[in-house]
Amino acid sequence: ETGVTQTPRHLVMGMTNKKSLKCEQHLGHNAMYWYKQSAKKPLELMFVYSLEERVENNSVPSRFSPECPNSSHLFLHLHTLQPEDSALYLCASSQSWGATDTQYFGPGTRLTVL
Amino acid sequence: GQNIDQPTEMTATEGAIVQINCTYQTSGFNGLFWYQQHAGEAPTFLSYNVLDGLEEKGRFSSFLSRSKGYSYLLLKELQMKDSASYLCAVVDSNYQLIWGAGTKLIIKP
Repeated sequence: ETGVTQTPRHLVMGMTNKKSLKCEQHLGHNAMYWYKQSAKKPLELMFVYSLEERVENNSVPSRFSPECPNSSHLFLHLHTLQPEDSALYLCASSQSWGATDTQYFGPGTRLTVL
Repeated sequence: GQNIDQPTEMTATEGAIVQINCTYQTSGFNGLFWYQQHAGEAPTFLSYNVLDGLEEKGRFSSFLSRSKGYSYLLLKELQMKDSASYLCAVVDSNYQLIWGAGTKLIIKP
């Protein structure tokens, strides 16, 4: 039990679809993260929220839109994606941002864009 | 630029010992993490080193040399369940986590 859950676990979508990924953490943490993981590449940090405010946005295309309604929930809204966006999307949380706190990960959403 | 290097893939035999190396060039250093990730699962925390030396946790040990920009993860008495990817990540001077691409470890009977 990692304390971080993600839904759905698998998602197949066309380039014109709109979908959302959901993440929930049950650890009482103040920071939440979205990462993209592609085969044989380092984890790519997409977005960071600290105390429900976005603090990092690493040049991510606007077709990815994050939302953090409260400290326990994080969403990633997807629209008009490209096939190269197919990857594993991981959510993580940590006690705080900008420190050496351990990040705890969810199991990820395997996204396939057709 | 910032860079983390680790071997792409390693193979070892059940019951043996394997060492997975990680070298880094980063702007500053505030610690190094090792994570384990089984296929299709979440990365899980293994260790955090910020001072030089060896830290042991059961069958797993992690070593750090800050002067050499080098760390390794040592796995003893390998079991089939140790087949996974092992991710090295460094905390830089801005407290950003810089990730390596991971090492896929294959354990053979």
